[in-house]
Amino acid sequence: AQSVTQLDSQVPVFEEAPVELRCNYSSSVSVYLFWYVQYPNQGLQLLLKYLSGSTLVKGINGFEAEFNKSQTSFHLRKPSVHISDTAEYFCAVSEGAQGGSEKLVFGKGTKLTVNP
Amino acid sequence: EPEVTQTPSHQVTQMGQEVILRCVPISNHLYFYWYRQILGQKVEFLVSFYNNEISEKSEIFDDQFSVERPDGSNFTLKIRSTKLEDSAMYFCASSLGPILTQYFGPGTRLLVL
Repeated sequence: AQSVTQLDSQVPVFEEAPVELRCNYSSSVSVYLFWYVQYPNQGLQLLLKYLSGSTLVKGINGFEAEFNKSQTSFHLRKPSVHISDTAEYFCAVSEGAQGGSEKLVFGKGTKLTVNP
Repeated sequence: EPEVTQTPSHQVTQMGQEVILRCVPISNHLYFYWYRQILGQKVEFLVSFYNNEISEKSEIFDDQFSVERPDGSNFTLKIRSTKLEDSAMYFCASSLGPILTQYFGPGTRLLVL
């Protein structure tokens, strides 16, 4: 069964500092990987996704993530964060048709707080 | 930009009552999903729906739950007899196809007293 681990439940950083939110997954088949962001009192918004091809994926709001198959990781990075990036970030995995399921399996989330 | 909408945004109900949560997926999408997030916990998959039938459901989705697409635009989740532990944020999502991006609605916060 697939699972997602987000090691950091909370990450406080100062404005304009770089940030990395970690995500590791486990699955017996190839997977598709996603990062979603949830701003306070809002739904989930897709930041970026990896389906195939280049392992470095660029998303919205200056975020990027790198798929590392050997380490089963998909860490999210931003070189310089803004106060408005304060939100909860969820990593998710899907096994797709080859795994027989298109459901998303989410990690527990990482709460990013950007301080002035 | 098209978006998934959900109503109501908040619902308070008494234990044992039936609730229906409503969703309007993006109009040309074919796959529909319900997820829930209990406060402080991870987002969990409940059910997926395609071609007017359930394609997959989780262990959480027991006989108390049902889904329906009553017309060409709405997608509903019914909980027949709510329990305290059903209190959660319920998210609807839709996608054009399998593995394609799932677009989430803003959620319905359900509180069972």
